[in-house]
Amino acid sequence: DTGVSQDPRHKITKRGQNVTFRCDPISEHNRLYWYRQTLGQGPEFLTYFQNEAQLEKSRLLSDRFSAERPKGSFSTLEIQRTEQGDSAMYLCASSDIPGGTGKDEQYFGPGTRLTVT
Amino acid sequence: AQKITQTQPGMFVQEKEAVTLDCTYDTSDQSYGLFWYKQPSSGEMIFLIYQGSYDEQNATEGRYSLNFQKARKSANLVISASQLGDSAMYFCAMREGRVGNKLTFGGGTRVLVKP
Repeated sequence: DTGVSQDPRHKITKRGQNVTFRCDPISEHNRLYWYRQTLGQGPEFLTYFQNEAQLEKSRLLSDRFSAERPKGSFSTLEIQRTEQGDSAMYLCASSDIPGGTGKDEQYFGPGTRLTVT
Repeated sequence: AQKITQTQPGMFVQEKEAVTLDCTYDTSDQSYGLFWYKQPSSGEMIFLIYQGSYDEQNATEGRYSLNFQKARKSANLVISASQLGDSAMYFCAMREGRVGNKLTFGGGTRVLVKP
């Protein structure tokens, strides 16, 4: 049983470039979430999907950010025209809703650390 | 107002002793869930324990227990018999409303277990 995977694990890019991250959730999980975490802070919600439908986007998510989950399996998060303030860890999580346990815990991937120079 | 408040930025605990990590929350929803996650220096977020707002019993998972005081809106994590591997950041999080909604996290508490 594989967990949530993310690719790449690290990305260094120059300001103004576009970057794309991939997340593969746990296979039977229908919900997929993206969070961003800056150093010393807790994760902040960005967006989430139920299968291929994007259910909610944070107001923090500028129009330079876009996320997709085209077939309800893996998801991509793209940042266009990156800025230094985008430097952070981007975390993906998945959950099985409704699950058999009655809980809705989210399982996180290892994250993609983005550094914008 | 902060939805999740963790007032202890850092704590030392002696190996084999118990430690309590504080978490208070703010919501007007009747249905919500409270979660604790551990984040070691390697960076991955590890789910530890869950408490539903309608659960009458405090949640327990091995050495982890959640002291849920609904009227006070607190959900403190108790780690018993601390081990060196418990050294990490600990985050309290809340899901408001329907199951499966997003999580809101607190600022975290760093725990360092001393041998």
